[in-house]
Amino acid sequence: AQSVAQPEDQVNVAEGNPLTVKCTYSVSGNPYLFWYVQYPNRGLQFLLKYITGDNLVKGSYGFEAEFNKSQTSFHLKKPSALVSDSALYFCAVRDMGRDDKIIFGKGTRLHILP
Amino acid sequence: DVKVTQSSRYLVKRTGEKVFLECVQDMDHENMFWYRQDPGLGLRLIYFSYDVKMKEKGDIPEGYSVSREKKERFSLILESASTNQTSMYLCASSFWAGANEQFFGPGTRLTVL
Repeated sequence: AQSVAQPEDQVNVAEGNPLTVKCTYSVSGNPYLFWYVQYPNRGLQFLLKYITGDNLVKGSYGFEAEFNKSQTSFHLKKPSALVSDSALYFCAVRDMGRDDKIIFGKGTRLHILP
Repeated sequence: DVKVTQSSRYLVKRTGEKVFLECVQDMDHENMFWYRQDPGLGLRLIYFSYDVKMKEKGDIPEGYSVSREKKERFSLILESASTNQTSMYLCASSFWAGANEQFFGPGTRLTVL
């Protein structure tokens, strides 16, 4: 069965430092992977996705993610964190077993400290 | 830009009431989804729909039903609300085929007393 794991409930980063939010996945076949962000009292917003091609995917707000097939990971990164990046981040994988469902991780809360 | 709207941002209902949550999207998406979001549990899929009058159960359908009479509108119904249905409810939509991202509404925070 497809699954996605976010091993950290919370990540704290000082403003201006690089940030990484971790995600690992388990799928049969080639994965379709996504990152979403949720700001306080808002719905989820799509950041980026990996389907095929270049392992480094660039997305919105200066975020990027690195697909690593051997480590089954899809970590979200940003070179220099902003206080406004503080939010809840969700990694997700397409359910290849049926339909067009997406399976979401439990989320990682990112705190950027000024 | 895709817009997904939900009828209420906040709702307070009493145990046993019938509750309707409405979702409308304006991008002619085939797929529509209802999730609930609870702390520490992430997003869990309640129901989804690929077409008008079509519905499929998600991971936690018990206590819920849905209706899709028009392509742009997907309703979630709590037949008899219970306190354990207090949660944030998120609606989403996407195009049908391929690895298409989902677009989310702002959410409805439902409290059942």
